[in-house]
Amino acid sequence: DAGVIQSPRHEVTEMGQEVTLRCKPISGHNSLFWYRQTMMRGLELLIYFNNNVPIDDSGMPEDRFSAKMPNASFSTLKIQPSEPRDSAVYFCASSLYPPVPPETQYFGPGTRLLVL
Amino acid sequence: GENVEQHPSTLSVQEGDSAVIKCTYSDSASNYFPWYKQELGKGPQLIIDIRSNVGEKKDQRIAVTLNKTAKHFSLHITETQPEDSAVYFCAASGDYKLSFGAGTTVTVRA
Repeated sequence: DAGVIQSPRHEVTEMGQEVTLRCKPISGHNSLFWYRQTMMRGLELLIYFNNNVPIDDSGMPEDRFSAKMPNASFSTLKIQPSEPRDSAVYFCASSLYPPVPPETQYFGPGTRLLVL
Repeated sequence: GENVEQHPSTLSVQEGDSAVIKCTYSDSASNYFPWYKQELGKGPQLIIDIRSNVGEKKDQRIAVTLNKTAKHFSLHITETQPEDSAVYFCAASGDYKLSFGAGTTVTVRA
């Protein structure tokens, strides 16, 4: 059974370039989360989708960040233009919630982004 | 919002000894408390979780306890092994949103 799939695993880009991160959630899950992990701020929730609809994007840093979920099996997180302070590991996670009580979020392997 | 504090930030134990990590939370509405293990270069992986209607849960060498009155929960790892070396995160949730602790780096010395 495949877990959450993310691509690319590593991305090195130059400041000002557009970056697109991709995620395939676990089949059957209806909730998808994008997180950012840094040493300074730990794990931060960026955006939460439920049934492909963005429910909570309060964690998105600024307008340079955008996320989409065109269908139940695919989501993208885009940064345009990228800046060095965006360097971090970006995780995608999925779960089955609601209608059940809060359920386990399963994390992907992450995309390590370095913006030069 | 929920605030989760985790202690200690680093923990070094001798192989075979026990390791204990403690977390406190602030929101009394939180009712789900997972623990994640993150190895270098990998995503967080759930190792055990507990819900507010349970005080303790055990899975082989790992156990979690919850004290809702005091708003704290703990992870206990017994008979530690080198493969237990990793960063461990606690989290708390009342709905979809997981609030994570800052993490504990556990090193098991052979």
